[in-house]
Amino acid sequence: DSGVTQTPKHLITATGQRVTLRCSPRSGDLSVYWYQQSLDQGLQFLIHYYNGEERAKGNILERFSAQQFPDLHSELNLSSLELGDSALYFCASSPLPLSGGGVHDTQYFGPGTRLTVL
Amino acid sequence: GENVEQHPSTLSVQEGDSAVIKCTYSDSASNYFPWYKQELGKGPQLIIDIRSNVGEKKDQRIAVTLNKTAKHFSLHITETQPEDSAVYFCAASSHYNTDKLIFGTGTRLQVFP
Repeated sequence: DSGVTQTPKHLITATGQRVTLRCSPRSGDLSVYWYQQSLDQGLQFLIHYYNGEERAKGNILERFSAQQFPDLHSELNLSSLELGDSALYFCASSPLPLSGGGVHDTQYFGPGTRLTVL
Repeated sequence: GENVEQHPSTLSVQEGDSAVIKCTYSDSASNYFPWYKQELGKGPQLIIDIRSNVGEKKDQRIAVTLNKTAKHFSLHITETQPEDSAVYFCAASSHYNTDKLIFGTGTRLQVFP
């Protein structure tokens, strides 16, 4: 158990709908990362939040958005869902602040949310 | 752009044999290289990592080597056991403003008793 929790575990919805995935980082961790895992694209970085602020975006569609709340939990919002959005969505957390030149810290992954769009 | 190539995509070994998985990265600024193990239905679990200031790191039956000049790193598992069967991912990270991980495509390791 990494200490990162994600809800829900499974989500089945229809095209055009909107869903929210939730992540609670390990206690004290300030950074939350979101990744998408699909069969054809592998594990892809989506977005990174640090202490409530967006720090970097990866291959995240404009239909997707995220935020990190004052209690450090994060939500990933997926809207206008398409069949191709079906995937596993993971969040990961790490404790250290970014320094631009500091030491990387380990990213601990949650169990993921399996999204199926029908 | 940033890219991590991983080989082989599948690997089958007999219990007790060694397994080696290799990765190559493209971004010369990468300086952190974790390896994750993912079992069916679970999230990736960090098993070992190496930073660019060292060439090798060991943890019991697992070792990682890094060749910065050639921009490749490898995972070595000795005395494999059936419970080592899983998908293994390498990743590389460089930090400018974020520690995002760029993952390889994964290696499915099967250890036969």
